[in-house]
Amino acid sequence: DAGVIQSPRHEVTEMGQEVTLRCKPISGHDYLFWYRQTMMRGLELLIYFNNNVPIDDSGMPEDRFSAKMPNASFSTLKIQPSEPRDSAVYFCASSFLAPRGAQGGYTFGSGTRLTVV
Amino acid sequence: KNQVEQSPQSLIILEGKNCTLQCNYTVSPFSNLRWYKQDTGRGPVSLTIMTFSENTKSNGRYTATLDADTKQSSLHITASQLSDSASYICVVTPRGGSYIPTFGRGTSLIVHP
Repeated sequence: DAGVIQSPRHEVTEMGQEVTLRCKPISGHDYLFWYRQTMMRGLELLIYFNNNVPIDDSGMPEDRFSAKMPNASFSTLKIQPSEPRDSAVYFCASSFLAPRGAQGGYTFGSGTRLTVV
Repeated sequence: KNQVEQSPQSLIILEGKNCTLQCNYTVSPFSNLRWYKQDTGRGPVSLTIMTFSENTKSNGRYTATLDADTKQSSLHITASQLSDSASYICVVTPRGGSYIPTFGRGTSLIVHP
């Protein structure tokens, strides 16, 4: 398995533009997470899906952020319009619910470094 | 609120030396605790995972310990190498509820030759 695949690796965009980040989870994993990482705040959970259904989006900072998971092998995180303070590294992770409730196989992608100028 | 606190925030050591990173958590009830290594520009990679019934787990030169009574964990790195320079993140998963893990802010380790 190639692991969790994210694209693009780097994105530079101008303020006000729409940005779409993509994630392909590990096959067979039924949980998908989107995180944002900054120096100031560390890793923050934005939203997670279970079986393609959004379960908790309380971490999404504003209405400018939206996420979708149209099928088990693909998810997007969209920012529209983008602002300079959105600059961060965005990680996708996937996992499965193991017996006794542990999150099994929790694996991160390599991240997308977003710079909004 | 579930919290995971790590110390120190950053650490600089010489190659070949040992070091210990600390993690305190308030997550309860507790399912498992993981230590991740995150190299610059990469995603976090799992080093060790311990359930509440385990008190030590090794992965090569990395040894994690867990005291579930005091809600403390440590990651000990033996004979450090330059490649150990990274951020080390402690992650605690609750038992029951959403099972969503709580992440610490990480300890940034720099190993100098």
